[in-house]
Amino acid sequence: AQSVTQLDSQVPVFEEAPVELRCNYSSSVSVYLFWYVQYPNQGLQLLLKYLSGSTLVKGINGFEAEFNKSQTSFHLRKPSVHISDTAEYFCAVTNRDDKIIFGKGTRLHILP
Amino acid sequence: NAGVTQTPKFRVLKTGQSMTLLCAQDMNHEYMYWYRQDPGMGLRLIHYSVGEGTTAKGEVPDGYNVSRLKKQNFLLGLESAAPSQTSVYFCASSPPGGYTGELFFGEGSRLTVL
Repeated sequence: AQSVTQLDSQVPVFEEAPVELRCNYSSSVSVYLFWYVQYPNQGLQLLLKYLSGSTLVKGINGFEAEFNKSQTSFHLRKPSVHISDTAEYFCAVTNRDDKIIFGKGTRLHILP
Repeated sequence: NAGVTQTPKFRVLKTGQSMTLLCAQDMNHEYMYWYRQDPGMGLRLIHYSVGEGTTAKGEVPDGYNVSRLKKQNFLLGLESAAPSQTSVYFCASSPPGGYTGELFFGEGSRLTVL
């Protein structure tokens, strides 16, 4: 069975600074990986996904993530954050068995 | 565009009462999911469905039942609510091949069990 570990429950970062949110996964087979964002009092929406091909994936709102098979990681990065990026971010994984499993989430706090 | 609609959005129950959460999607999606979200626990999959008339268990199915009688609707039932079921419940849907990851979420249903 697959699982997802988000190493940081909260990440504070100053506005316009870069940020990296960490995600590690475990699976015995090939996986698909995703990052979702949840703004306060809303449902989740897809930021980006890795299915195959280039290991560097670009998403919405200037976010990108890199799939690293040897380290079983899929870290999310943004070079310069804005106050509007304040949200909770979820890493998710599936091994194509129709179950999509989410990590526990990382709250991104943008400091002025 | 309605997308995924959950009703009710808020509900307070007493221990032992029953209720049903309704999820409706208007995107003709085959796959539908129910998750619960708890602080520090992320989203945990309760049950899911890969088509009309089918359901399957997720990570935390105990205490819940589901039905998918119509393609557009996915119902989550609590037969005898317990305080441990206090949570925010999210429904999601996706096209066939749900593993492509494009889940479309509702806005959530906040349930409190006293």
